[in-house]
Amino acid sequence: DAGVIQSPRHEVTEMGQEVTLRCKPISGHNSLFWYRQTMMRGLELLIYFNNNVPIDDSGMPEDRFSAKMPNASFSTLKIQPSEPRDSAVYFCASSFGGSEETQYFGPGTRLLVL
Amino acid sequence: DAKTTQPPSMDCAEGRAANLPCNHSTISGNEYVYWYRQIHSQGPQYIIHGLKNNETNEMASLIITEDRKSSTLILPHATLRDTAVYYCIVKKSGGSNYKLTFGKGTLLTVNP
Repeated sequence: DAGVIQSPRHEVTEMGQEVTLRCKPISGHNSLFWYRQTMMRGLELLIYFNNNVPIDDSGMPEDRFSAKMPNASFSTLKIQPSEPRDSAVYFCASSFGGSEETQYFGPGTRLLVL
Repeated sequence: DAKTTQPPSMDCAEGRAANLPCNHSTISGNEYVYWYRQIHSQGPQYIIHGLKNNETNEMASLIITEDRKSSTLILPHATLRDTAVYYCIVKKSGGSNYKLTFGKGTLLTVNP
């Protein structure tokens, strides 16, 4: 089976531009997580969806960040407008069940905002 | 969730067992010990988890002390591909306990 799929794998953009990161979870999984990894802060949970519904968005840095999950097989993380401090690796993970089960991570999107 | 303490780095010779320690002295009775690893430029990968009994799977073994205040992840025959950052995470199960809190982990370097 295919694992978690993320696109793009790399994104370079200029400050002020809109950035959209995409994630396809593993088929059959009903929980989806967005994480951000930086050298300074490590891996941080941004938002958690269960059955396509956002359950916990307390990790979303500010209003410039938004996430959606229109169906069980697709999620987006949008940054508008982007800033240089948003440069990081963004990971999507999915699991079958939110709290009990193993989380499977995608390969990540490496974002650089100039 | 209980806090964990891991050494920042370890070395291991290829083919030898790698033993990665984790201290979680404040662990509570319903908290599991999880291990994930992150190979350079990849997403974290689940390895193993346990509550109080020792666990083994195709990747590794997890040894949890009787008082549950520490654990050891054992890679029985380390290869160069096992070079990665290994994270020990303590997490409750059930309900709203979905969050994995990653610390700094241990950078394991397997040397030829």
